[in-house]
Amino acid sequence: NAGVTQTPKFQVLKTGQSMTLQCAQDMNHEYMSWYRQDPGMGLRLIHYSVGAGITDQGEVPNGYNVSRSTTEDFPLRLLSAAPSQTSVYFCASSLGGNTEAFFGQGTRLTVV
Amino acid sequence: SQKIEQNSEALNIQEGKTATLTCNYTNYSPAYLQWYRQDPGRGPVFLLLIRENEKEKRKERLKVTFDTTLKQSLFHITASQPADSATYLCALEDSGYSTLTFGKGTMLLVSP
Repeated sequence: NAGVTQTPKFQVLKTGQSMTLQCAQDMNHEYMSWYRQDPGMGLRLIHYSVGAGITDQGEVPNGYNVSRSTTEDFPLRLLSAAPSQTSVYFCASSLGGNTEAFFGQGTRLTVV
Repeated sequence: SQKIEQNSEALNIQEGKTATLTCNYTNYSPAYLQWYRQDPGRGPVFLLLIRENEKEKRKERLKVTFDTTLKQSLFHITASQPADSATYLCALEDSGYSTLTFGKGTMLLVSP
């Protein structure tokens, strides 16, 4: 049972480049989320999904896109990377209300 | 606006003592509150969940209290060990969609 798997673990991008951060879970969880974590800011919600085909914006969605075509996968796309998107990104999944969230190991992204 | 506050300064204690971490919130009426542990370079790991109708929850050396009148949760680690050194995050459910809003966390340092 792998839990939540994120790839890549590290990435360096140039300003303006695009990329996709991958997130997969094997627990059949309906709820999935993306957070970014910056020093002094804590974890902030970017986008979330309550099931396949359903996504919504969180606190800091600008510059990011998501889609949810399957229950297992919830990729996060950076359309045109900016230095302000330098951060550590975490994907999480859960069964729903009143249950624990499972987090991936994170992706450390640097935009130069 | 909604706000979750945790002690921003690191908490330093000696091995064997009880560590007490505080989480205060405003403009929320959460049905439950969660505590997570995060080690450097890793994703958060779930520790405990407490519901609004529960005053106290225990798990091994961990104890969480939840006072909805004071809008406060206290997280206790008894007989602390150096291995308990980590950042501890408080999280509240947001909008009923199983997304969590996190405090910035409190770093705990347990010295031998």
